[in-house]
Amino acid sequence: DTGVSQDPRHKITKRGQNVTFRCDPISEHNRLYWYRQTLGQGPEFLTYFQNEAQLEKSRLLSDRFSAERPKGSFSTLEIQRTEQGDSAMYLCASSPPSGWGDEQYFGPGTRLTVT
Amino acid sequence: QKEVEQDPGPLSVPEGAIVSLNCTYSNSAFQYFMWYRQYSRKGPELLMYTYSSGNKEDGRFTAQVDKSSKYISLFIRDSQPSDSATYLCAMSAENAGNNRKLIWGLGTSLAVNP
Repeated sequence: DTGVSQDPRHKITKRGQNVTFRCDPISEHNRLYWYRQTLGQGPEFLTYFQNEAQLEKSRLLSDRFSAERPKGSFSTLEIQRTEQGDSAMYLCASSPPSGWGDEQYFGPGTRLTVT
Repeated sequence: QKEVEQDPGPLSVPEGAIVSLNCTYSNSAFQYFMWYRQYSRKGPELLMYTYSSGNKEDGRFTAQVDKSSKYISLFIRDSQPSDSATYLCAMSAENAGNNRKLIWGLGTSLAVNP
C-alpha cells in the first residue's frame, strides 16, 4: 500500500496526558499537512511542512501542540497536557512537489478521545 | 460569513438519480478546487481536482467551477448505494512556500437508496 498511513488509528487518553501521532506520507511527496476534524465539521488546517521545514502553523494551535518532520519524511504531532476539547480526528495529508500537482491525499486519520 | 459555504443536507435520492452538490465561496484568491468523499470514521478520499475555472469529468463524476459566481458543483450520474457518504468541497489559494492549505465546506451527507 503506497498511500498515506497514520498511527495509531485510535487513541484514548486521560486528560493531562501527552500523546504523539505519526504520519508517513506518500513517498516523493515533499509537502505534508496536519488537519483536525470534529463531528459534522470540515477539517481545519493545523500546520504545513515543505520537506523538513515547518512553514505555517495555524493560530488555532496552542503551545501544547508541536509537530516535527525530521529528514523530511515521516511527521509526528504531539499534544501535551491533553484537554477534553482536543478530542477529534487528526488527519494527515501529503502532496507532491509544486509543479507535479497540488492534490492532497489523506491518511485514515487518528481518532483521539480524551476522557 | 464562512469562507466556504456548503449545505450539510442530508440529501436522499433513489438509486440511478443524478445528484448535484454545490459550494459557494467568498475568497476570490481561491484557484484550486477539490471534492472529497468521506465515509464514516474514515479519512477524506480525493474525487476530483480542478485548477481555476471549467469542467472536469471522470467516469460518473463531473466537477464544475464558475469563478465569476464563486460557485462550484459536483454532479454524480447514475448514483449507486455505494455513493452514500459525506461529500466535502475544499479549496485553496497560492500561499507562501507553496502552501496549499485547504479551506473546507461542512460537507453534504448523501444517502442513495436502493
